[in-house]
Amino acid sequence: DQQVKQNSPSLSVQEGRISILNCDYTNSMFDYFLWYKKYPAEGPTFLISISSIKDKNEDGRFTVFLNKSAKHLSLHIVPSQPGDSAVYFCAASASDDKIIFGKGTRLHILP
Amino acid sequence: NAGVTQTPKFRVLKTGQSMTLLCAQDMNHEYMYWYRQDPGMGLRLIHYSVGEGTTAKGEVPDGYNVSRLKKQNFLLGLESAAPSQTSVYFCASSYNAYSPLHFGNGTRLTVT
Repeated sequence: DQQVKQNSPSLSVQEGRISILNCDYTNSMFDYFLWYKKYPAEGPTFLISISSIKDKNEDGRFTVFLNKSAKHLSLHIVPSQPGDSAVYFCAASASDDKIIFGKGTRLHILP
Repeated sequence: NAGVTQTPKFRVLKTGQSMTLLCAQDMNHEYMYWYRQDPGMGLRLIHYSVGEGTTAKGEVPDGYNVSRLKKQNFLLGLESAAPSQTSVYFCASSYNAYSPLHFGNGTRLTVT
């Protein structure tokens, strides 16, 4: 049973426009959420996180929104740049220390 | 700082052979994790550790064992490799449960 779901395997966005990546979760005990970016042949790198006491966190071009009632979070990238082409993973954790990842969304930034 | 270092980077095993993957971190992190990445499956947690001498099962622990004898090292063992264990294995570490994970660059394992 998948606790963290990224239902879009891939997404294509024009350079300069907004990229929106979505993530849903089923475990109401999750209280910390993270987004990671992964290039081929490298380990994932941390992008941004949000705790369940907030509904928005912003860091430069990256903003994460959390809707606890819908068990949904999204990552907004504005403006999208060619270097943003990568696989993006959503992850979540609860007090039992496990950090669970989604299957990832491959983002293609088109010139 | 090297961060998180995984050894080896590549390995080919025959079915039934055993091996140990080594993860070392130099950030004095308490928490360490082993994940596997398979096409279409994302990152799945195998085992994790919240401190020296502790280990716990993740989502897909069967066929693997781990040890955390020293704080900086987390070992992943395959006692009898199977083709289903062909994957890319990532180790990660973090300061605590609410801080970001730092990942190594992965070990690509093929079991024939």
